Amino acid sequence: NAGVTQTPKFQVLKTGQSMTLQCAQDMNHNSMYWYRQDPGMGLRLIYYSASEGTTDKGEVPNGYNVSRLNKREFSLRLESAAPSQTSVYFCASSVTAGAGNTEAFFGQGTRLTVV
Amino acid sequence: AQTVTQSQPEMSVQEAETVTLSCTYDTSENNYYLFWYKQPPSRQMILVIRQEAYKQQNATENRFSVNFQKAAKSFSLKISDSQLGDTAMYFCAFVQYSGGGADGLTFGKGTHLIIQP
Repeated sequence: NAGVTQTPKFQVLKTGQSMTLQCAQDMNHNSMYWYRQDPGMGLRLIYYSASEGTTDKGEVPNGYNVSRLNKREFSLRLESAAPSQTSVYFCASSVTAGAGNTEAFFGQGTRLTVV
Repeated sequence: AQTVTQSQPEMSVQEAETVTLSCTYDTSENNYYLFWYKQPPSRQMILVIRQEAYKQQNATENRFSVNFQKAAKSFSLKISDSQLGDTAMYFCAFVQYSGGGADGLTFGKGTHLIIQP
């Protein structure tokens, strides 16, 4: 039972480079999320997709784009990486809140360093 | 906007002791869920315990229990008989029950709990 799978686990980028973080879940969840975790800041929501075909901005969306490719996959793209985007990125998924179960399941995280 | 505050950046207790981590939150909504997540050095986010706001009874999971005070907007986590494996970052989190789809979790900044042998 894989749960939420993120790739890659580690990445180093040069300023200005682009990359896409991939996320897939096999739990048939409707909702998916991208968070970033910085020291002393907890996790902050970048973007989320409440259901297939929809995406919405979270607390810190600037510099990022997302694509909900299908129900399973939700990718995060950095078009022009900046040192301020050095962080650990987590993908998560959950059953739609209307089902009464909003526990989020997390991937193992991607440590991204922008130099 | 919802906010979650954890006022204890770090705590340290001896093994087998009981420890309480505090969390307060601010919301104007009535329907929401509260969670405690554990993040060990492996970085994996692990759900410890969940509380539905409409339930008055405090949630318990083995050695973990919460003290949920809705009027005071307080949600503390008590760990009994603490073990070395409990050493981790602990995050309090909140999510609004929107009905039309889950909004993202709002997290506190975390408490680093250290269990001393």
